[in-house]
This record gives sequence, structure tokens and C-alpha cells, in this order.
Amino acid sequence: GDSVTQTEGPVTLSEGTSLTVNCSYETKQYPTLFWYVQYPGEGPQLLFKVPKANEKGSNRGFEATYNKEATSFHLQKASVQESDSAVYYCALSEPSGSWQLIFGSGTQLTVMP
Amino acid sequence: EAAVTQSPRNKVAVTGGKVTLSCNQTNNHNNMYWYRQDTGHGLRLIHYSYGAGSTEKGDIPDGYKASRPSQENFSLILELATPSQTSVYFCASGAARKAETLYFGSGTRLTVL
Repeated sequence: GDSVTQTEGPVTLSEGTSLTVNCSYETKQYPTLFWYVQYPGEGPQLLFKVPKANEKGSNRGFEATYNKEATSFHLQKASVQESDSAVYYCALSEPSGSWQLIFGSGTQLTVMP
Repeated sequence: EAAVTQSPRNKVAVTGGKVTLSCNQTNNHNNMYWYRQDTGHGLRLIHYSYGAGSTEKGDIPDGYKASRPSQENFSLILELATPSQTSVYFCASGAARKAETLYFGSGTRLTVL
């Protein structure tokens, strides 16, 4: 079945450093890929989604490119802030799975001032 | 702004007791979902609904029932709660089946003693 594997956390960074959270997926179809972010005490919320291969999504300084050949969708940010501390989820949905979202296990990011 | 409200925010239950978690959405979305969140597992789908009167089993439905009496309301029912059901539960709504964005509530923390 479909699956999503992402960087195991927790990840701790200093403000101003760069972030990469790896995400790899397995599916037989052509999925739409998502990054969700969950701030403390809240539910997850969409960061961005990308429906087509070779396209890039971005929001709040984060970006990820849908790499169909490598089956990857790595999240990057050039310079993290303390306010970026959250849990980040990579996810996919595709037609053979009735478009249900399949989430990765989440990556806890803590940014130190 | 999409609004999904869950109640209660926190619940302590005894083993063997009945627990009902409630969710209300004001987005007029057809689709609603119940997930549980556990460290190392991310978000796992328990039940979902495509509209009033319908419920479908997700990936981990055992021990849970769901009820969708109206477009706005979706409940998760634990008839005989067990300690293994201690978790954080999230409700979400979505507008369309294909690669939809999900809007999550703030979660219910359930502890079964």
C-alpha cells in the first residue's frame, strides 16, 4: 500500500540555520503531495500542497519540490525562526486510495533562540 | 476561515466505560474525518464520512464507532474504552474528495485509566 517516510525527530536547530526534513513516498499512482504543520496546542494545518511532478510548493519561507523520479518531497527553509517550532507532516493522496490522506509519522522541530 | 470545533478538549475515562467525542464544523463541508495521533505513528484514520447519514471505516476502526447525524456534526464513540485508546484525537473536514485540503480541530486528549 501507499506509505510516507520522513525524517525521524526530534530535530533541534538554532535560529538562522537551514532546515531540511526528508520525505519519501511509495505509491503506484500519481499522488498529490502535502506538507502540514502542527503548532503546539493546535491541530495540523496545511502548509502547502503540490499536485504535479516537478513543481514546487512554498509558503512562509518553506518550500518543497515534487520529485517523481526520486519519489521525494523534501521540506526546506533557508533560515528558521523560533516561531517555526512545530511538528511537520508529509502526506499524500491519490485516486486508488479514494484520495484519503496518508501521513508520515511527523517530525518535531524545535528552534532555539 | 474554516472552523472545526471539538469537545471536550480533555477527557478522562475508566476502562470499560463509554466515551463520545464530538465535532462540529461550520464550513459546510461534505467530508469529515476522525484521526488519532500517537508518537511514532503520526496521524491515523479511524472513521470518515462523505455526508449526513454515512460513515466509512478508515485504517484503524476496531473499537470505535462513528455517527454523522447532520452535515455539521460527526461523533466518535468508544463503547468500551480501553487504555490502548489513550491518545489525542483530531476531527477534520474537507470540501472535495480529490486531493482536498483538510481543516482540523484543536484535538481532544483522551486518557483511559
